[in-house]
Amino acid sequence: DGGITQSPKYLFRKEGQNVTLSCEQNLNHDAMYWYRQDPGQGLRLIYYSQIVNDFQKGDIAEGYSVSREKKESFPLTVTSAQKNPTAFYLCASSMTGGAYEQYFGPGTRLTVT
Amino acid sequence: GDSVTQMEGPVTLSEEAFLTINCTYTATGYPSLFWYVQYPGEGLQLLLKATKADDKGSNKGFEATYRKETTSFHLEKGSVQVSDSAVYFCALSPPNTDKLIFGTGTRLQVFP
Repeated sequence: DGGITQSPKYLFRKEGQNVTLSCEQNLNHDAMYWYRQDPGQGLRLIYYSQIVNDFQKGDIAEGYSVSREKKESFPLTVTSAQKNPTAFYLCASSMTGGAYEQYFGPGTRLTVT
Repeated sequence: GDSVTQMEGPVTLSEEAFLTINCTYTATGYPSLFWYVQYPGEGLQLLLKATKADDKGSNKGFEATYRKETTSFHLEKGSVQVSDSAVYFCALSPPNTDKLIFGTGTRLQVFP
């Protein structure tokens, strides 16, 4: 079945540690996105990529980094510089060049203590 | 900048009641408009969309009409079920971009 997978579903880290969240898609989509979801704030865009080896900052990129070495994969690293990393992180993908639907993964809930 | 405003929740209804969730937007030009739904602990799923003024999107008994004159895209359903309990997000995609701008979401709770 085609879709987006995110792993793990729950992740716990100590403050000061970097952590990488995985996102893989087999939909052959060019574009991939990372969002952060906090209660009462909707989804906020962290980074997005429209093509391999290229990505752009979203609205809240500080303290995060990404890479796009393969079309299928778009991992997100939450660095120790991110002030409030505890959140629900959602990855999505879509075709490019129009108002295409974004397909979402199941999300990773990150808790940093 | 472009933005989406949704009514605050939670919206609490009895089964078979009529549902309206209000959504208004601010955007330059003619954006595309979307409703996504999120069930507990899951990612978002597209519910319906409309790409030009006066278009009506519909799916699973839900409908929304793109109203350019009132900059609105209200979600409606004639008879809700307990299984419709979820968080509903209105979103827009500005012209010539692939990005989405989301509202803050509205939680719907349907009781038997």
